[in-house]
Amino acid sequence: AQTVTQSQPEMSVQEAETVTLSCTYDTSENNYYLFWYKQPPSRQMILVIRQEAYKQQNATENRFSVNFQKAAKSFSLKISDSQLGDTAMYFCAFMKHEDNQFYFGTGTSLTVIP
Amino acid sequence: EADIYQTPRYLVIGTGKKITLECSQTMGHDKMYWYQQDPGMELHLIHYSYGVNSTEKGDLSSESTVSRIRTEHFPLTLESARPSHTSQYLCASSAPPGTGARKLFFGSGTQLSVL
Repeated sequence: AQTVTQSQPEMSVQEAETVTLSCTYDTSENNYYLFWYKQPPSRQMILVIRQEAYKQQNATENRFSVNFQKAAKSFSLKISDSQLGDTAMYFCAFMKHEDNQFYFGTGTSLTVIP
Repeated sequence: EADIYQTPRYLVIGTGKKITLECSQTMGHDKMYWYQQDPGMELHLIHYSYGVNSTEKGDLSSESTVSRIRTEHFPLTLESARPSHTSQYLCASSAPPGTGARKLFFGSGTQLSVL
């Protein structure tokens, strides 16, 4: 079975600073996808960034980037130049390549402080 | 971005009532899911469907039922609501393998309160 662990229930960061959210996972699969989802206080979950395991290059989406360490089974999210709108719950998720089940971590509540 | 819709957005009802939470998507996705989420907590998969006439129970036991008569529609029904059903219900869908868009699209959720 796949498990996803987020060890930081809550984090805070000053506006304009950089913050890193941690995620580790456990799997015996070689081909899979990893995701970071954001759930703002309005509660609609949206995709922040996606990484395909066979790609060695870390994914980047504007101020969001990941540090994907396949051997260590680690998938951290870095948010640069934090903005007030980044305040949200962040969920790390895993999906096997040819599967349709998504496995979510318990989430990290991020607060950006003005 | 998401073309997946949930209604109602908020629902407050009394114990014992039958309710149906609606979920529709216009993306033609074959995979659809229902998650239950308490405030600030993790998501629990309660039902999923891989296509028309396909429904399965998820990891979290739930007294709700689902149906999938049409690709775009995946309603969730509680025959007799109880206060323990108070929660946020999130509907999601995903594209098939090989489409290059492997991710979950979420609806806005239904916040259910049972008095």
